[in-house]
This record gives sequence, structure tokens and C-alpha cells, in this order.
Amino acid sequence: DTGVSQDPRHKITKRGQNVTFRCDPISEHNRLYWYRQTLGQGPEFLTYFQNEAQLEKSRLLSDRFSAERPKGSFSTLEIQRTEQGDSAMYLCASSLVQGSHEQYFGPGTRLTVT
Amino acid sequence: DQQVKQNSPSLSVQEGRISILNCDYTNSMFDYFLWYKKYPAEGPTFLISISSIKDKNEDGRFTVFLNKSAKHLSLHIVPSQPGDSAVYFCAASAVNSGAGSYQLTFGKGTKLSVIP
Repeated sequence: DTGVSQDPRHKITKRGQNVTFRCDPISEHNRLYWYRQTLGQGPEFLTYFQNEAQLEKSRLLSDRFSAERPKGSFSTLEIQRTEQGDSAMYLCASSLVQGSHEQYFGPGTRLTVT
Repeated sequence: DQQVKQNSPSLSVQEGRISILNCDYTNSMFDYFLWYKKYPAEGPTFLISISSIKDKNEDGRFTVFLNKSAKHLSLHIVPSQPGDSAVYFCAASAVNSGAGSYQLTFGKGTKLSVIP
């Protein structure tokens, strides 16, 4: 399977704990995006990487959130001191080089903060 | 301020008939539009797209129409099949010239139910 993969698929954590999610994009894609989707809403953009460089961050990405893509391949999204409002589906997407608007999404990580 | 709007939360269509899903946008900078299909517990799946320089794009049973003057697009599915039952998201992008990002702005989705 050469699609986008995400791990874990589900995460339940207690408020105040730190969590980290991983995304493995399609291998030849150099663009990587993170989105967040809450119930009844469409996905909302969080951050964007081109290769290993994080080039854009949404105002939704508070200082408790950090994302990395150390070697331009997989990416991690960490949330520190989780809050109940962080409960959502976290989606990763990747796309080809310049000129391509189509993004291909992974299955998402469902985070529940209790 | 919602830049991409899907005003119908749900739509029911008989199998074999046409499904028409609508989407409106407000940001004139959007230059590319996409439709995604989403099943429960899965990520969105890319369906079809259209550039702002076109007014129609067709792929099998799926056709997307773009009316730039009205800032409106629609997705037509003909004929509709029970397997088409899913949530459909309209999305738009405008290249962020500084960062080169093509981040997507999504509507809230329309749940399509195709009745056998």
C-alpha cells in the first residue's frame, strides 16, 4: 500500500498529558500538510511542510502544538498539555511538487482527551 | 467567516438518479476547487477537481461545474449508486505565494444517501 499512513489511529489521553502522532506520506511527495477536523466541520489547515522546512502555520496552531519533518519524509505532530478542546481527528495529507493542488489524505488519528 | 459554504447538510437520492451537490465560496483568490468523499472513520478521498480557468470537468460518473461570476460550483453524480453514500466535502485553494502552500479550505460537508 503506497498511500498516506498515520499512527496511531486512535489515542485516548488524560487532560494535561502530551501526545505525539506520526504521518508517513506517499514516498515521492515532498509537500506535507496537517489538518484538524472536529464533529460537523470540514478539515481545517494547521501547518505545511515542503521537504523538511515548515513554511506555514495556521493561527489554530497554538504554542502547545509542534510539528516536525526532520528528514523530509515522515512527520510528527506533538500536542503538549492536552486540553479537552484538542479532541478531534488529526489528518495528514501529502502532495506532489509544485503545481499540484490535489492532496491525498491518510486515515487520520482520532484523539480523545478525557 | 466561512469562505467555503455547503448549505445542504444532507441529500437523499434514489439509486440511478442524478445527485447534485452545491458549494459556494467568497474568496476571489481561490483558483482551484476540489471535491472529496469521506466514509466514517476514514480520511477524505480525492474525487475530482477543477481549475478556475475551466467551467467544467468530467470524470466518469462525476462532473464538476464552476460558475466563477456566481462563485458557485456543483458536483453532479450520474447515475447515483448506493456506494456513493458518504459525506462530500467541497474544498478550495489559492497558492500562498510566499510559502508555496496550496492549503485547502473546506466546507462543512454534505451527507449523501443513495437509496436502493
